[in-house]
Amino acid sequence: AQKVTQAQTEISVVEKEDVTLDCVYETRDTTYYLFWYKQPPSGELVFLIRRNSFDEQNEISGRYSWNFQKSTSSFNFTITASQVVDSAVYFCALSPNYGGATNKLIFGTGTLLAVQP
Amino acid sequence: EAQVTQNPRYLITVTGKKLTVTCSQNMNHEYMSWYRQDPGLGLRQIYYSMNVEVTDKGDVPEGYKVSRKEKRNFPLILESPSPNQTSLYFCASSRIRGQYYNEQFFGPGTRLTVL
Repeated sequence: AQKVTQAQTEISVVEKEDVTLDCVYETRDTTYYLFWYKQPPSGELVFLIRRNSFDEQNEISGRYSWNFQKSTSSFNFTITASQVVDSAVYFCALSPNYGGATNKLIFGTGTLLAVQP
Repeated sequence: EAQVTQNPRYLITVTGKKLTVTCSQNMNHEYMSWYRQDPGLGLRQIYYSMNVEVTDKGDVPEGYKVSRKEKRNFPLILESPSPNQTSLYFCASSRIRGQYYNEQFFGPGTRLTVL
């Protein structure tokens, strides 16, 4: 089965706290892509990162960092020193077989992050 | 500016009244797709199209129709909308290059309410 699980439905933190959003995926494919998207209250989907299954290096972009571990099928997202503008729904997504014949993208159910001032 | 546009952005309608949500992209993308987003369910694919006149069902196609007569347009048709089709709808497009994934560009979303 191809599946993405985001077990945290909602997280609430106070500004400046660090927060980690969990993502666990399932696929039998050895080649795949993983993604994170942000959906602010305005509703649009904002692409954050894409990770190739062969690239397990962690990535840091400003206050954002991603930890990809194939051994645990996880692709977690950490926001350091959170800000109110980080309040959004965050989606993790999987593209099995590098998209395969259908360019398929499988989304998790999303985590609502609320950052309180 | 490269973009995917959707119209309308917001729509309130009544059960059974046929409606069409338009999607258009200006990037000459071969692939286009429709998703619906519901609380607790994430985004689920409704239909997709690999090129003109080539469409196929996604995971939740019931109650929807699509057409792809032109490369740039991919309208979503609800012939007889029902309240369970109240949702946030996203259109997406991308290139197709062999077997490799190509980044999907998403439209701004259409919030549909069916009373």
